Amino acid sequence: GAVVSQHPSRVICKSGTSVKIECRSLDFQATTMFWYRQFPKQSLMLMATSNEGSKATYEQGVEKDKFLINHASLTLSTLTVTSAHPEDSSFYICSARQDRGGSNQPQHFGDGTRLSIL
Amino acid sequence: SQQGEEDPQALSIQEGENATMNCSYKTSINNLQWYRQNSGRGLVHLILIRSNEREKHSGRLRVTLDTSKKSSSLLITASRAADTASYFCATAISRHNDYKLSFGAGTTVTVRA
Repeated sequence: GAVVSQHPSRVICKSGTSVKIECRSLDFQATTMFWYRQFPKQSLMLMATSNEGSKATYEQGVEKDKFLINHASLTLSTLTVTSAHPEDSSFYICSARQDRGGSNQPQHFGDGTRLSIL
Repeated sequence: SQQGEEDPQALSIQEGENATMNCSYKTSINNLQWYRQNSGRGLVHLILIRSNEREKHSGRLRVTLDTSKKSSSLLITASRAADTASYFCATAISRHNDYKLSFGAGTTVTVRA
């Protein structure tokens, strides 16, 4: 159980394009979803936390107008990279957590999206 | 900023040997989690150890937690080629009635056949 599906797995597009990435929890309701960014051979950096039905909480230094997050249901969150530029090229990973049962719940991760902006 | 630091950065072992990696952190935690990441893929949750636990096992994995030293270790016994991956520790830190995970830099493990 606890499967998180992330789509698409890879995107290559021109500078100025907006890109939407979907994150779905397939077999559980995800009260909270997270979006991370990972540079090659580095750790994961949290970009934002989203709760179903409310605005996302962005980490310091992350532009909320650049990275639009929508958590419309308990099984779906989307990240839209608006007007993407080459410096936005990265590996984006979502994760989801079912908060029922207390705070000691693991996060379950999608397989990531490799975004390449030309 | 990252809270956890992992040691070593890279580890190369022969199949059948044990692999040990360590994680140190700086602030109080709710729990500590270990994850595995295969190249170009997402993270797979391995073990969660709560702050009031000292040791936990799952199959060939053994995790210890020493809150007095603010450190944790992950031991993989009888390693296999399929264990080749990057391993990350993540500390769960309370924030605004919730908690967020702070990841270490990871240990890259290569198991040679």
